Parts: sequence; structure tokens; C-alpha cells
Amino acid sequence: GAGVSQSPRYKVAKRGQDVALRCDPISGHVSLFWYQQALGQGPEFLTYFQNEAQLDKSGLPSDRFFAERPEGSVSTLKIQRTQQEDSAVYLCASSLTQTGNYGYTFGSGTRLTVV
Amino acid sequence: EDKVVQSPLSLVVHEGDTVTLNCSYEVTNFRSLLWYKQEKKAPTFLFMLTSSGIEKKSGRLSSILDKKELSSILNITATQTGDSAIYLCALDNTDKLIFGTGTRLQVFP
Repeated sequence: GAGVSQSPRYKVAKRGQDVALRCDPISGHVSLFWYQQALGQGPEFLTYFQNEAQLDKSGLPSDRFFAERPEGSVSTLKIQRTQQEDSAVYLCASSLTQTGNYGYTFGSGTRLTVV
Repeated sequence: EDKVVQSPLSLVVHEGDTVTLNCSYEVTNFRSLLWYKQEKKAPTFLFMLTSSGIEKKSGRLSSILDKKELSSILNITATQTGDSAIYLCALDNTDKLIFGTGTRLQVFP
């Protein structure tokens, strides 16, 4: 596609509910990243994929967070048993190469509100 | 711990003013420093800086990296209301971007 596409744009979840957020990167982009942006803060790294391999998941805040990219294109970020502190915008970014020399393109994000 | 600090946190100016946004960092190893503009949700790319002392320009925007001072500045001249946004600085630390909190710029007519 022309850009990084994320869905849904908005998600309201009741505390304890599981959610799944989708990212469709630019076609052919090798690297894919997930970031969490709380209100008034800069994005914080969650996890990184190179093709289908998850090379770094050090930013995932708890074992309730799980990400996958099984065929090296679309990725899903799953949050189990959501808590209020999970409320944030979840941004996905992709890059053509693993070195990031061509920069990173961000999607519009999914705003998750846990009530 | 790697850290990126932006200042000021917030800036309010009138159209036509010139602004300078600051980014300082404590990051031991990075490939490049990037500036993004965030208006709604998607940060959009402005500049990638890899070498110290070389200014990059795009229209009314310019940016420079000073590796000796561990900092970068983003200048916007003749500001317009469309420049109102959050400006994010990020260090590319090989497999992730480390962002600052951002500077919220508001330009009033």
C-alpha cells in the first residue's frame, strides 16, 4: 500500500477485555516496529520485527502484551486482560531496510481507551 | 540509560516569528538523529541527521546536529498556523527509536 495502515483507528475496551491491533506496513518493508504513546509523552518502543522474526521485544511492558508478524508483512499487537494504564495511542512504523537508512514511516495509530 | 530531552515543552508564537526547538541526548550509540512533526497521530518525517555540523534545510525549516554538545536544533522561520504541531526528536539506536517528549508549538495568526 501507499502508507502504513493501522486498524482500528479507535478502540474502547472494558478493563479485563482482550484487544488486537493490526498494522499493515508498506509493501516490501523489511522492518516493523510498534510504539506506545501515552498522552503528553513521546512514543516509547515496544517491539521490533525484521521480516517475520521478532528481534527485540524488550519494550513490551508485561507478559499481557504479545506481538506477531507470521508472514513477514501484517503484524498484530495483542493485549490481554487490558488495564487502564494500557490506554494510549499505539503506533506502528515500517522501514525499507533493516538499517533504517531510508527512514521510518509511521501509521496513524490506534487510540486505545480502557474503561 | 539512554535519554532524549526536548525543550521547551511548549511554545506559543505569532505568525511570522522564528522559533528554535532544542533536543539534547544521552545516548551512547546511535546511527542518526531524526526530527518528526506530529499533528494528529502519525509522526511525519522532517530530517535525518548523521553528521555533526552539516545543516539540512527544507523550505522554512532547518536542522543541525552538534555531536560535541550532544544536541540538535530545529529552526522554523516565518512561522505559519500550519506549523502548529508537536515536534519530536528521536535517536535511531540501531533497532529502535528513542524519542523525546516533544515540543508542542502553537502558532497564532
